[in-house]
Amino acid sequence: EADIYQTPRYLVIGTGKKITLECSQTMGHDKMYWYQQDPGMELHLIHYSYGVNSTEKGDLSSESTVSRIRTEHFPLTLESARPSHTSQYLCASQSGQPLIMNTEAFFGQGTRLTVV
Amino acid sequence: AQKITQTQPGMFVQEKEAVTLDCTYDTSDPSYGLFWYKQPSSGEMIFLIYQGSYDQQNATEGRYSLNFQKARKSANLVISASQLGDSAMYFCAMRERYGGANNLFFGTGTRLTVIP
Repeated sequence: EADIYQTPRYLVIGTGKKITLECSQTMGHDKMYWYQQDPGMELHLIHYSYGVNSTEKGDLSSESTVSRIRTEHFPLTLESARPSHTSQYLCASQSGQPLIMNTEAFFGQGTRLTVV
Repeated sequence: AQKITQTQPGMFVQEKEAVTLDCTYDTSDPSYGLFWYKQPSSGEMIFLIYQGSYDQQNATEGRYSLNFQKARKSANLVISASQLGDSAMYFCAMRERYGGANNLFFGTGTRLTVIP
C-alpha cells in the first residue's frame, strides 16, 4: 500500500476563499506531481517537482501554486477559489531514479474540490 | 496529437468472463513505458501493470495481462475472470524516456462495468 496522503478528501468552499490542498508522502520520493481530473476525464498534469526547492508548471495551465520546502510535503494553493476550479486534484510521487522507466507513480486518494 | 488514445468510453462484461480494454499510443521515442491504472469510485489511482518498450514478453500480473503489439503501437489490457470489484475506470498511461519531467501521459479512460 502506497504511503501518500492527501487532505482533505472533500472540500466545499465559497468563491474567493484561499485554500491549500495538502499532500504528503513517506517514501522519500524526490518526484512529486499534481494532476487535475474532471469527472470521467483524463488526468492533466498541473505541477511537478524534482525535489526540494524545485517546482515546475505542467501541461495544463493552472492558477494554483505549489511549494516544495520538504521532500515529503507538496502542498497546492489557490489564492482565490472560483467555480471553474471545481475538480478532483490528485497528488502522486515517484522514485527519483533518472530515466528509470518502470517505476510507477503512487497516487494519493485525491481531493474533490467544489467551489460554490 | 494525443499520446494515449482509449476509444472505449464504457465497457460491460459478464462476471467471470474476460474483457479487453483498448489503448493505442503515439511516440517517436524508442524507449518508453506503458502503464495501466485502475480508478474506483473512491478516486484513488491503483497501479495494475507495466510494459516496457524493450520487453520481449507481454506483461502479466495475476488476472491482468497486457497485449503489447509494438508495431501497431497498442497496449491493450486483458482482465480475465472478471469480478464485481473490477468495476472502475481504467486508464492507460505512457512515460517517454526523454519526455521531460518523466511525466505520465494519460488516456481518457474506459469505464468498465461488471454485470453479475
